[in-house]
Amino acid sequence: EIVMTQSPATLSVSLGERATLSCRASQSISSNLAWFQHKPGQAPRLLIYGASTRATGIPARFSGSGSETEFTFTINSLQSEDFAVYYCHHYNNWPPMYTFGQGTKLEIK
Amino acid sequence: QVELVESGGGVVQPGMSLRLSCVASGFTFSGYVMHWVRQAPGKGLEWVGVIWTDGNYKQYADSVKGRFSISRDNSKNTLYLQIDSLRGEDTAVYYCARDPATHPCDVWGQGTMITVSS
Repeated sequence: EIVMTQSPATLSVSLGERATLSCRASQSISSNLAWFQHKPGQAPRLLIYGASTRATGIPARFSGSGSETEFTFTINSLQSEDFAVYYCHHYNNWPPMYTFGQGTKLEIK
Repeated sequence: QVELVESGGGVVQPGMSLRLSCVASGFTFSGYVMHWVRQAPGKGLEWVGVIWTDGNYKQYADSVKGRFSISRDNSKNTLYLQIDSLRGEDTAVYYCARDPATHPCDVWGQGTMITVSS
């Protein structure tokens, strides 16, 4: 079983600043890594897949990088609507394997 | 527009069964792998299970194997999650999500809440 570990658990950042989140896989997952944004009462929103590809309609201030076991997610010029919980997600179509990290809560400093 | 709408949640007693539904619209439902994901109160997202386009392949998280069953009716554009022997730890919001195979789940429903309590 692959375990995804996110850090930090909570990140406090000011409006307009940059936020950097980390995700580590317990074994190599190539680039099968996505990032989701989740706000209370809303559906999760796909931001990044393939470790670094932005999903349709996602602003350029969101970016992802990394491969194998170490991944980074960055939000530049934080806006008020960006404060949410962010999850990294390992996915593999065959054999089917899907795992979420425990989440990083991004809050306003 | 592309949409997934879950229903069937509610307050149930431990040991009871429940069936959740997820109705799809705005896209060719039969062409997509579908997932269920849940979020317990105060916890993170937990993948529950997946069903292939024709319904012939299914896989479940270890935590729900044996009690959860996913099915689909492509003629009705509907995905189902049957949950038996409900436990307190099944209390959660349950989401269905569309998997386009080329990348992870890109469309999610708003979720339906199950509360297991005596």
